Amino acid sequence: SQTIHQWPATLVQPVGSPLSLECTVEGTSNPNLYWYRQAAGRGLQLLFYSVGIGQISSEVPQNLSASRPQDRQFILSSKKLLLSDSGFYLCAWSVKGPQKGYTFGSGTRLTVV
Amino acid sequence: DAKTTQPPSMDCAEGRAANLPCNHSTISGNEYVYWYRQIHSQGPQYIIHGLKNNETNEMASLIITEDRKSSTLILPHATLRDTAVYYCIVRVRMYSGGGADGLTFGKGTHLIIQP
Repeated sequence: SQTIHQWPATLVQPVGSPLSLECTVEGTSNPNLYWYRQAAGRGLQLLFYSVGIGQISSEVPQNLSASRPQDRQFILSSKKLLLSDSGFYLCAWSVKGPQKGYTFGSGTRLTVV
Repeated sequence: DAKTTQPPSMDCAEGRAANLPCNHSTISGNEYVYWYRQIHSQGPQYIIHGLKNNETNEMASLIITEDRKSSTLILPHATLRDTAVYYCIVRVRMYSGGGADGLTFGKGTHLIIQP
């Protein structure tokens, strides 16, 4: 069966420090991958999505970047964190073609201090 | 994507049916209705989706009106574990192998199951 792993679960980082969040998917190949962010009291915002290795699409301009070095690995990064980067970050995957929906990871709660 | 409107919160007694409404009056003919839920501090969980026919699975039923301008998610026998934020989303479902469709989540309905 397919599983999605996301880590770390929680992270506290100072302003100006770098960020690297990793997401991996098991049990499937060539998935679509997504990064979402949920700020406190708000809905989920799509940040990036990827349809294949090295292919990244950004939905909103921001201080973050994403990379997909391997088929089932999706990384969210920042060179210098801002206070506004705090939030709950979720990775998700979906199959290509007719979709039942997304499967989300357990999320990373990032607090920038 | 069509915009959806949901009540911000609802209460339901444990063991009763929970009926969560969603308005999507600007839905297009090729847009599907998706429902997800998010339990506190967890990732959203897919529940069900449909185009125009009513759908049922092991988690819930989805009733879509004939004009498709609104829908209702039904949890037939709500339990305390069903307390969560429920999101109604409309989106074109892409079939092309090279495509990806990022769902846009609004604020949803906070469903509270009362013991």
